[in-house]
Amino acid sequence: NAGVTQTPKFQVLKTGQSMTLQCAQDMNHNSMYWYRQDPGMGLRLIYYSASEGTTDKGEVPNGYNVSRLNKREFSLRLESAAPSQTSVYFCASSLADTQVLGNTEAFFGQGTRLTVV
Amino acid sequence: TQLLEQSPQFLSIQEGENLTVYCNSSSVFSSLQWYRQEPGEGPVLLVTVVTGGEVKKLKRLTFQFGDARKDSSLHITAAQPGDTGLYLCAGKDKVIFGPGTSLSVIP
Repeated sequence: NAGVTQTPKFQVLKTGQSMTLQCAQDMNHNSMYWYRQDPGMGLRLIYYSASEGTTDKGEVPNGYNVSRLNKREFSLRLESAAPSQTSVYFCASSLADTQVLGNTEAFFGQGTRLTVV
Repeated sequence: TQLLEQSPQFLSIQEGENLTVYCNSSSVFSSLQWYRQEPGEGPVLLVTVVTGGEVKKLKRLTFQFGDARKDSSLHITAAQPGDTGLYLCAGKDKVIFGPGTSLSVIP
């Protein structure tokens, strides 16, 4: 019963390098999300995909791009990493769009700890 | 811009004690969720409250949504080490998360 799987779990990048964070869910959920978590800041939404084929910006989209590859997979790309992007990144999924239906439960992956030096 | 504040930011208590943590905003929310996050893991949903004044209980945890739907509280009775974690509230219309309360229960 995998739920939401994120890879990698840890990553260190040099400033200016690029990388893609992968996320896959096996719950047949329609909506998927990328958050970043910083101390004292809570979870901030970077991008979300309400359904396959659509993506929308969240609260902090600058410096990131996303791809909803299919219903299962939603990737987050950092084109030119900056130290300000050092954070823990969480992917989440839900049956319906939590941005629209507030009572929907979101299921989170275990996170990717990214350090940009 | 909707903002959620949580207090206290950190809480360290002895096993068996009671505690209450708070989630506050100046905005009205259509619903509010509480999540618990253990170290190295993603958040896991505990409860959703929808109606102003609503009280929900989950074993030793009691959740209340304020009458005006601007605030919520989480009360834990007889805390146990397994309750240790980061407690996050999330307000809905557009989903926003509070910064969390980090709870440590010492055996």
